[in-house]
Amino acid sequence: DIQMTQSPSSVSASVGDRVTITCRASQGISRWLAWYQQKPGKAPKVLIYDASSLQSGVPSRFSGSGSGTDFTLTISSLQPEDFASYYCQQANSYPLTFGGGTKVEIK
Amino acid sequence: EVQLVESGGGLVQPGGSLRLSCAASGFTFRSFWMSWVRQAPGKGPEWVANIKQDGSEKYYEDSVKGRFIISRDNAKNSLYLQMNSLRVEDTAVYYCAKVVTGRYNDYWGQGTLVAVSS
Repeated sequence: DIQMTQSPSSVSASVGDRVTITCRASQGISRWLAWYQQKPGKAPKVLIYDASSLQSGVPSRFSGSGSGTDFTLTISSLQPEDFASYYCQQANSYPLTFGGGTKVEIK
Repeated sequence: EVQLVESGGGLVQPGGSLRLSCAASGFTFRSFWMSWVRQAPGKGPEWVANIKQDGSEKYYEDSVKGRFIISRDNAKNSLYLQMNSLRVEDTAVYYCAKVVTGRYNDYWGQGTLVAVSS
């Protein structure tokens, strides 16, 4: 199985800050990676797929990059509604696996 | 508008069974892969199973293989998860989700809680 390791597990940031979250796969997954945002009590919402493609309706302050084993989600200017948990997921091979998550908290 | 509505969750004893259902609307259900994803309390999401459009291919997370069965009825726009030999560690909110580009989940239901406890 492919293990997905996210870092950091939590980050404290202020509105307007640039936030970067990384995700590392235990083996190469090409660009088959998605990023999800989840708020308490809600289902996850896809932000980025195929490592860097922005899902329709997602603000352009969210961007993704990477390929192979190392990936990054960047929020260019943090907004109040962005305080949430973020998860990466590999879609290269079954079983599909998620990272452990990153909680973005208010500083 | 895409809607996915799960039902069938509840409290069950270890070793018991439950059948989850997901009613889909707002898209051409028979044209998409579908998923079940679960989330234990305080934990991250965990993919459980995927099923192809016509049901000819099914994939499962290792810990549920041989215990859970994913199925679908395209005539009823419905997805199912038959869960047998339930364990305490299966306790979670179970989400039904539509698959986009054959790989990712773009729409999710509100989830149904399955609690396995004696």
